[in-house]
Order: sequence, then structure tokens, then C-alpha cells
Amino acid sequence: DVKVTQSSRYLVKRTGEKVFLECVQDMDHENMFWYRQDPGLGLRLIYFSYDVKMKEKGDIPEGYSVSREKKERFSLILESASTNQTSMYLCASSKLAGGGDTQYFGPGTRLTVL
Amino acid sequence: AQKITQTQPGMFVQEKEAVTLDCTYDTSDQSYGLFWYKQPSSGEMIFLIYQGSYDEQNATEGRYSLNFQKARKSANLVISASQLGDSAMYFCAMREGPSGGGADGLTFGKGTHLIIQP
Repeated sequence: DVKVTQSSRYLVKRTGEKVFLECVQDMDHENMFWYRQDPGLGLRLIYFSYDVKMKEKGDIPEGYSVSREKKERFSLILESASTNQTSMYLCASSKLAGGGDTQYFGPGTRLTVL
Repeated sequence: AQKITQTQPGMFVQEKEAVTLDCTYDTSDQSYGLFWYKQPSSGEMIFLIYQGSYDEQNATEGRYSLNFQKARKSANLVISASQLGDSAMYFCAMREGPSGGGADGLTFGKGTHLIIQP
């Protein structure tokens, strides 16, 4: 079974702090994704990566950056957290080709910025 | 315009009844993929079923089937014999472009909150 893990289920940070959200997958998937989920808005893509050290902006990249130094790990960074970044953050991974590109998700991190 | 539309914000269904969750999509691509995910209150997104745009047969996975009507751009999820554990949010999502063509993310609808009543 595909397993995607995220470093924290719940996180509380203060405005202006630098925040790291970590995601690890164990299925040797090439693609990894970060989404945020807000009530009434569904999931929106922040960033994705199709290879080590490669990254592409999604629909809402402002205020975020990412890092992919190893194939299995994809980090989302909030350089200076703000209250409007309070949200549920979901990481996903998928194979590069085949299998319908099904994305498998981690359990999510619920981030609160005070 | 929204690319994925789920018109039912919430549904109440009696246990053991069949459920149809609506999803319409909008794309100009000929090759695309459609997905359904379940999100229980725990928050994890669980993959349910996939339909490729060139698949001639409707996808099925156990009690889940996807009623794919390409001309109407509709991809409804059907759950047969609903169970209490089916209570959750359900999201329809689309990948535009061919499978393996890139790592573009999925576009999600806003979801349907399904509640199964005993």
C-alpha cells in the first residue's frame, strides 16, 4: 500500500514565524504535491514537483515555497506565517506515468496561525 | 467558470439505499482523467475510483461505480447499498491532459457532504 506521511497532524504557530511542513512517501513516486483545503473552497494546489530539486507553481503559490532534496520528501515552507494561512494542508504523491496518475494523500496537517 | 461542479452541498440517505453524487466538468482537452475521493472526519483523502476519458466502460470498484457520460461532461459517483461508514465528504477531481504527460495537480470540486442515516 502507498503510504504518505506528514510530520504533524496539528500545528499552532504565531504570525511571522517560519513554518516547515514535511511530507514523506514510501512508494518511489516521482510526483509530489501540496494542497490547502478551506471550507467551501475545496482543495487548491499550492506547488508540485516532478523530480528532485524540481518545482512548479500551482494555483496559489503566494506566501509559500517548497523544497525537494530527496525523492521521497517534499517540504512546504511558510517564510513568514500569516493568519490567512490558517488551513488544512494536504500532501499527495503519484507515479510519473501509468495507473491513471492517481494521487495518494497523507493525513493532513491542520495549521493554525495566531 | 468552475472546472468541476458538484451541485449537492449535502445529502441525507437511508442506510442500504443507493446514492448518486453528481459531478460535471469542463475541459477542452481530449485526454483527461476523472477521480473521486472520500474524506471522512479524520481528514485523510481516500482514493475511490478513476475514469480515463478514453475508457469505454464505466469504472467500477466494489460498491463504487462511475457513471461517465462524456457528451454531457458528467462523471457521477454511484454508491450501492450505502453503509453508515460511507458518511463523509466526497470530492470529484479532474486531471487535464494525458496520463503521464506531466505532474499537473488535480482540480477539485467543492465537495458533497454525505450523511447515511440508520
